[in-house]
Amino acid sequence: QKEVEQDPGPLSVPEGAIVSLNCTYSNSAFQYFMWYRQYSRKGPELLMYTYSSGNKEDGRFTAQVDKSSKYISLFIRDSQPSDSATYLCAMTSNAGGTSYGKLTFGQGTILTVHP
Amino acid sequence: SQTIHQWPATLVQPVGSPLSLECTVEGTSNPNLYWYRQAAGRGLQLLFYSVGIGQISSEVPQNLSASRPQDRQFILSSKKLLLSDSGFYLCAWRGWGVTYEQYFGPGTRLTVT
Repeated sequence: QKEVEQDPGPLSVPEGAIVSLNCTYSNSAFQYFMWYRQYSRKGPELLMYTYSSGNKEDGRFTAQVDKSSKYISLFIRDSQPSDSATYLCAMTSNAGGTSYGKLTFGQGTILTVHP
Repeated sequence: SQTIHQWPATLVQPVGSPLSLECTVEGTSNPNLYWYRQAAGRGLQLLFYSVGIGQISSEVPQNLSASRPQDRQFILSSKKLLLSDSGFYLCAWRGWGVTYEQYFGPGTRLTVT
């Protein structure tokens, strides 16, 4: 079983739709959670960073963390064609030593928003 | 503000040839630096990370190596490339402190022929 599971999609939605992207994880030590957006042939771009259960909002994006269920989500409101990209979840514990700051990534979900 | 550079952007190399990819970070000191490979299919595989000059930790045994000759410079190398080394190579940095987010460079697309 992978430590982080993410539905690879692809996910296709009309412009203006609400998009829900999800990851589940098995390692209860994970405490810090990130969402990245990656356009084709580009490096991943950090969208959201959270470290507690609950919701964090930034513009049209909301990150949700449920540590009791080991489940995180990213919601995109009023989706736009420019949101078409691959979305990667990532997470880590605060363990130091030889795993210093190591992120564990999901496989990514391909999202297409069509006009 | 911080900026991360990678070069070259694309590279086509024959099997058995050497490799050198470079990553530099501007606007921060003593960053943690990381090399990832992303094969077709989107998953990111951590190859190496460094917490300081000359300090390299390897995550996956392979024919690649990394070096950190300066605080903000990270180099990925190989003496002899394999077909399986093809992929998208990403460098990332993380600031020194209690936050854990990493910031990625633009990547180098390597094709081994």
